[in-house]
Amino acid sequence: TQLLEQSPQFLSIQEGENLTVYCNSSSVFSSLQWYRQEPGEGPVLLVTVVTGGEVKKLKRLTFQFGDARKDSSLHITAAQPGDTGLYLCAVRTGTASKLTFGTGTRLQVTL
Amino acid sequence: ETGVTQSPTHLIKTRGQQVTLRCSSQSGHNTVSWYQQALGQGPQFIFQYYREEENGRGNFPPRFSGLQFPNYSSELNVNALELDDSALYLCASSLGGRWEQYFGPGTRLTVT
Repeated sequence: TQLLEQSPQFLSIQEGENLTVYCNSSSVFSSLQWYRQEPGEGPVLLVTVVTGGEVKKLKRLTFQFGDARKDSSLHITAAQPGDTGLYLCAVRTGTASKLTFGTGTRLQVTL
Repeated sequence: ETGVTQSPTHLIKTRGQQVTLRCSSQSGHNTVSWYQQALGQGPQFIFQYYREEENGRGNFPPRFSGLQFPNYSSELNVNALELDDSALYLCASSLGGRWEQYFGPGTRLTVT
């Protein structure tokens, strides 16, 4: 059983469309992170959310942490080909900086 | 400021062989974590080193071992390679107990 389930697993959309990806768990977390990983690269941190109900915006990306701190969503407005990549949510478990990652959502944005 | 670097970029090994992967942490970072990422999946935590001591281990067998050196660079060693060890191996560095980790580009290991 995965601690963090992400949906959808794969998403292919055209430039300009909006999309939302989800990260769900039955566990409560003190905070959650979102990463983007491009082919041939390691994951790059996008945001950390720490408060239930918190909404953070990063240009066209909007991140929300669920009120109960069990889930999170990432909404992209007017997607661009540069948004293509693997989106991963992650939580801290065990030792201070051990990360447990979700199953990932692979996004492909075409012209 | 130099980011996290890993070597080699790609590696092909035969089942049963041994492999050593290397990681140089970001300047000033004293903690290195290693992750295994199978194709199409999220990274899985292997272990972490803090000031040359192992500081937490994931669900990986003892044939996965590591080292951290006084300059905080690190090695991941895998003995008796199995086909399922084929994956992208990621190294991440951080400062002490801080949550923010910075990942290297990874080493793609293929076991045939």
